[in-house]
Amino acid sequence: KQEVTQIPAALSVPEGENLVLNCSFTDSAIYNLQWFRQDPGKGLTSLLLIQSSQREQTSGRLNASLDKSSGRSTLYIAASQPGDSATYLCAALEYGNKLVFGAGTILRVKS
Amino acid sequence: DVKVTQSSRYLVKRTGEKVFLECVQDMDHENMFWYRQDPGLGLRLIYFSYDVKMKEKGDIPEGYSVSREKKERFSLILESASTNQTSMYLCASSHRTSGIPDTQYFGPGTRLTVL
Repeated sequence: KQEVTQIPAALSVPEGENLVLNCSFTDSAIYNLQWFRQDPGKGLTSLLLIQSSQREQTSGRLNASLDKSSGRSTLYIAASQPGDSATYLCAALEYGNKLVFGAGTILRVKS
Repeated sequence: DVKVTQSSRYLVKRTGEKVFLECVQDMDHENMFWYRQDPGLGLRLIYFSYDVKMKEKGDIPEGYSVSREKKERFSLILESASTNQTSMYLCASSHRTSGIPDTQYFGPGTRLTVL
């Protein structure tokens, strides 16, 4: 059974820092790996989707990488801003077409 | 822009009541999903649907049922609400390209409290 783990559970950084969020998954048989953002009390917003054949995807200050063989993905946020404060979730789309989520990393960027 | 709407943001019900949570998407997506989100447990899939009148159980279907009579609408039903069903409920939809689901678009969520 696919299990997705995110480390750290919470992170607090000063504005302007570059940071890395980690995601690991136990079964490499996945179609893709997705990163989402969730603001308090709100739904999820898709940030980046990496297909299993890709190594990374970039969008603005965000860069996500995928290493299927080691079961790892990272989300890199450059020059963090207070507006980046949110919960970040990674999710693996397994061959059964189900999305399996990690528990999330709560990010706080202090101004 | 894809829009997924849910009928209520907040809902308070009593134990034993029948509860309907409605979800509507406006992008003609084939796939629709219902999740619940609880602190420390993350998002867990309750039910999903790949087409009208079609449904598949997710990881935690017990105590829930679903209905998809029209492509744009997916309803989650709690036949007899219990306190352990107090949670945030999230609906999502996605397009299916070559049989593989694309990214999922989420609604704003319904926070259900069962007293």
